Amino acid sequence: NAGVTQTPKFQVLKTGQSMTLQCAQDMNHEYMSWYRQDPGMGLRLIHYSVGAGITDQGEVPNGYNVSRSTTEDFPLRLLSAAPSQTSVYFCASSRQAGGPADTQYFGPGTRLTVL
Amino acid sequence: DAKTTQPNSMESNEEEPVHLPCNHSTISGTDYIHWYRQLPSQGPEYVIHGLTSNVNNRMASLAIAEDRKSSTLILHRATLRDAAVYYCILYGQNFVFGPGTRLSVLP
Repeated sequence: NAGVTQTPKFQVLKTGQSMTLQCAQDMNHEYMSWYRQDPGMGLRLIHYSVGAGITDQGEVPNGYNVSRSTTEDFPLRLLSAAPSQTSVYFCASSRQAGGPADTQYFGPGTRLTVL
Repeated sequence: DAKTTQPNSMESNEEEPVHLPCNHSTISGTDYIHWYRQLPSQGPEYVIHGLTSNVNNRMASLAIAEDRKSSTLILHRATLRDAAVYYCILYGQNFVFGPGTRLSVLP
């Protein structure tokens, strides 16, 4: 089991560029989510998905798109990168869709810098 | 989402017990209390969770107050590897992180 994997580990973008952060899990988890973590802060929820074909917005969704065409993959798209999106991005998954007793598994993160 | 309050930072000596407190006075009856920790430059990792009763696992113990308005994560013997930010999270509908407690472990 690889768990939750994220690529790339590091990325530098120029303002206005677009890119996709990849997230995959091999645990057959229904629930997947994306967080961002700014320096010295806790994680904030960007988007989440309770199953293939279903996504919803979290606390800070502006500037990001997601889709969930398969159970395994949950890519995060930056449409037009801005310096305010400089952050570390974490993907997470759990077995059930929002089951409060479930453990969340986090990926290692993608460190994104927007110049 | 119910809110949690934790101290910004705490210090412990190596091989001593550590008690990390969390206040959650607005907890609802269906919220689970989760603890995660984040080691430097890593993603958060699960530590322990509970609903009403105290819980033990190989990493830590979780003591939950009878009224559920507070809880304490107990690391029985801190090691240098336990230096991390510890997050107390109430999980009902959404999984919301606060700023957490930064634990330093002194050799």
